[in-house]
Amino acid sequence: NAGVMQNPRHLVRRRGQEARLRCSPMKGHSHVYWYRQLPEEGLKFMVYLQKENIIDESGMPKERFSAEFPKEGPSILRIQQVVRGDSAAYFCASSPIGQGSNQPQHFGDGTRLSIL
Amino acid sequence: GQQVMQIPQYQHVQEGEDFTTYCNSSTTLSNIQWYKQRPGGHPVFLIQLVKSGEVKKQKRLTFQFGEAKKNSSLHITATQTTDVGTYFCASPLQGAQKLVFGQGTRLTINP
Repeated sequence: NAGVMQNPRHLVRRRGQEARLRCSPMKGHSHVYWYRQLPEEGLKFMVYLQKENIIDESGMPKERFSAEFPKEGPSILRIQQVVRGDSAAYFCASSPIGQGSNQPQHFGDGTRLSIL
Repeated sequence: GQQVMQIPQYQHVQEGEDFTTYCNSSTTLSNIQWYKQRPGGHPVFLIQLVKSGEVKKQKRLTFQFGEAKKNSSLHITATQTTDVGTYFCASPLQGAQKLVFGQGTRLTINP
């Protein structure tokens, strides 16, 4: 079974550009979580999605950030008009069912976003 | 809101020494999960504890869940250089389907 696939692994953007991060969950997993990790810090929850639904976006900034998980294709985390403070590692994780059922999460390799 | 506090933030040991990281919460946790993240890598699930007072072992790693289900620990006996990384505890947020992660303990080892 392929694991959680994220691309690109590294992304460089200039201030004001848009960044699009992709995540394909593990086969059979329909729940996707996005986290942000700053250097030397922990994982901060951003958003939890199921197919075609945003379940919890309480950790996502209200402006410039959006996420989707369409019926077909990968989940996308989109950051518009990037600023230097957006530089971080963005991890995607998936699980077969929600955490309410105590399932561990499987993480992708992450996308390291650098803003020039 | 619910938080999971993890200490210490950093730990440097000599190879062969033991290592322990602790997680504490002010609220009762339904379960606690432990993850390891190697430098430059991604978090990898290690184990999940569910029952009060539960103790699980994986070779040199011992995981404990407190009787009140408000704290947990990870103990590594006789560390090796392969143990280097950051260890995170995590627990489902009450009433929500998302994980709350501790701040992590970064373990470095002097060979």
